[in-house]
Amino acid sequence: DGGITQSPKYLFRKEGQNVTLSCEQNLNHDAMYWYRQDPGQGLRLIYYSQIVNDFQKGDIAEGYSVSREKKESFPLTVTSAQKNPTAFYLCASSIGVGTEAFFGQGTRLTVV
Amino acid sequence: AQSVTQPDIHITVSEGASLELRCNYSYGATPYLFWYVQSPGQGLQLLLKYFSGDTLVQGIKGFEAEFKRSQSSFNLRKPSVHWSDAAEYFCAVASYNQGGKLIFGQGTELSVKP
Repeated sequence: DGGITQSPKYLFRKEGQNVTLSCEQNLNHDAMYWYRQDPGQGLRLIYYSQIVNDFQKGDIAEGYSVSREKKESFPLTVTSAQKNPTAFYLCASSIGVGTEAFFGQGTRLTVV
Repeated sequence: AQSVTQPDIHITVSEGASLELRCNYSYGATPYLFWYVQSPGQGLQLLLKYFSGDTLVQGIKGFEAEFKRSQSSFNLRKPSVHWSDAAEYFCAVASYNQGGKLIFGQGTELSVKP
């Protein structure tokens, strides 16, 4: 089945540690996105990539980093510089600009 | 600036009753509009989309939405709600920049009474 796979589903991190969230898609989509979801705030864009080896900052990129070495993969690293990292993180992909996005099942990150 | 507003944070309806979730957008051109549904702890599932053409669009699970340009609205409707429809619903518009990112409303949480 085609889709987007995020792992792990739950992640716990100690303060001061970096952590990487995985996102893999087999939909052959060029565009991939990372969103952060907090209660009552909807979804906010962290980073996006429209093509392999290229990515751009979204609205809340500070404290995060990404890579896009393969079309299928778009991992997100939450660094120790992110002041409030506890949130639900959603990865999405789309064929291109203006088309619908398909979402993974999300990763819930908790800083302890 | 582009934006999406969902005026209702939480709505409760009785099972079998009709449903309408409101969505208003701000956009400078013809918008690409979407409704997504999210169950607790899950990702988002696309219910329906509007790109152009017929202003009444049909989606999955018996949902429909009507695009009204004059009111800048894209309200979601269902004639008869089922208990399994309880979830959070997000309206979104595709941006013409930032890689076509989706701009989401704050979401409306739907509760269904037996």
